[in-house]
Amino acid sequence: DGGITQSPKYLFRKEGQNVTLSCEQNLNHDAMYWYRQDPGQGLRLIYYSQIVNDFQKGDIAEGYSVSREKKESFPLTVTSAQKNPTAFYLCASSIGSGGRAFFGQGTRLTVV
Amino acid sequence: QKEVEQDPGPLSVPEGAIVSLNCTYSNSAFQYFMWYRQYSRKGPELLMYTYSSGNKEDGRFTAQVDKSSKYISLFIRDSQPSDSATYLCAMNPSGNTPLVFGKGTRLSVIA
Repeated sequence: DGGITQSPKYLFRKEGQNVTLSCEQNLNHDAMYWYRQDPGQGLRLIYYSQIVNDFQKGDIAEGYSVSREKKESFPLTVTSAQKNPTAFYLCASSIGSGGRAFFGQGTRLTVV
Repeated sequence: QKEVEQDPGPLSVPEGAIVSLNCTYSNSAFQYFMWYRQYSRKGPELLMYTYSSGNKEDGRFTAQVDKSSKYISLFIRDSQPSDSATYLCAMNPSGNTPLVFGKGTRLSVIA
């Protein structure tokens, strides 16, 4: 089945540790996105990539880093510089035209 | 003023009611309009997609876009308890730019 796979579903980390969230898609989409969702805040864009080896900062990129070495993969690293990392993280991808984005099932990160 | 405004609710309706969900926006360049449904602790799923103005119907769901008023709507007919979810509107000016989302409206359909 085609789709977007995020792993793990739940992640717990100690404060001060970096953590990497995985996102893989087999939809052959060029563009991929990372969003953060907090209660009452809606979806906020962290980073996006429209092509391999290229990515752009979104609205809340501070404390996060990404890479796009393969079309299928767009991992997100939450660094110790992110002041409030506990949140629900969503990865999405879209075809080049039309903008329809398809989402993974999310990773809930809790930092203690 | 935020680019996309959406009443967060919560909205509670009896089963069988017609539900109306709305978003307003400020950027006249937006051309692609979408509605997503998100169940608790799940990723959003694309429900409706509309390009430019007009109506689109899919089963019990109808999406409307009024670009002159910068206003989009989602209607749900014969609402069911399984429709209980958060509904997010999203839009962008071109297919190659990230979507801008509303904050979502939480809907509860009571049996």
